Amino acid sequence: EIVLTQSPATLSLSPGERATLSCRASQSISSYLAWYQQKPGQTPRLLIYEASKRATGIPARFSGSGSGTDFTLTISSLEPEDFAVYYCQQRSNWPPEITFGQGTRLEIK
Amino acid sequence: EVQLVESGGGLVQPGRSLRLSCAASGFIFDDYAMHWVRQAPGKGLEWVSGISWNGGSIGYADSVEGRFTISRDNAKNSLYLQMNSLRGEDTALYYCGKDIDSVVTASVDYWGQGALVTVSS
Repeated sequence: EIVLTQSPATLSLSPGERATLSCRASQSISSYLAWYQQKPGQTPRLLIYEASKRATGIPARFSGSGSGTDFTLTISSLEPEDFAVYYCQQRSNWPPEITFGQGTRLEIK
Repeated sequence: EVQLVESGGGLVQPGRSLRLSCAASGFIFDDYAMHWVRQAPGKGLEWVSGISWNGGSIGYADSVEGRFTISRDNAKNSLYLQMNSLRGEDTALYYCGKDIDSVVTASVDYWGQGALVTVSS
């Protein structure tokens, strides 16, 4: 089973700062990685798919990079609405393996 | 407007069965793969199962393999999850989700509001 490890578990930053979230896979997953944002009481929102492609309607301040085992979600300048939990997700060896990371909580400092 | 509406959740005893349904509208249902993703109270996301546009490719998480069955009826724009031999650890909010493609990419761009399943005696 491919395990995704997200770091840090919690990231405390201020609006306007740059956020860098990491996701590491236990084995190579090529570019089959997505990133989601989830706010309390809301459904997840797809931000990035195939490691670096922005989903429809996602602001340009969100960007994804990486391939193989190491991936990064970068938010260039934090807006107040960006404070949430972020999950990475991988698809590899389909069928049947799809897994999520444990999440990174981005909180206001 | 894309809409996904889950139904069929509820309180069920361990070992019993439950069937979730997801009614889809606002898009061409049989053009897209679909998924079930769950979230236990206060916990993270867990992918449960996915199905390609025509049902030709199906996958399950290890935790539900052999107990849950995903299916779809493209004529009815509906997705289903048959859950058998339910356990306490299956307690969660179950989301229906639309993939961005007809094959399973696992990137879910639309989500329903979820159906709560509680497994308890």
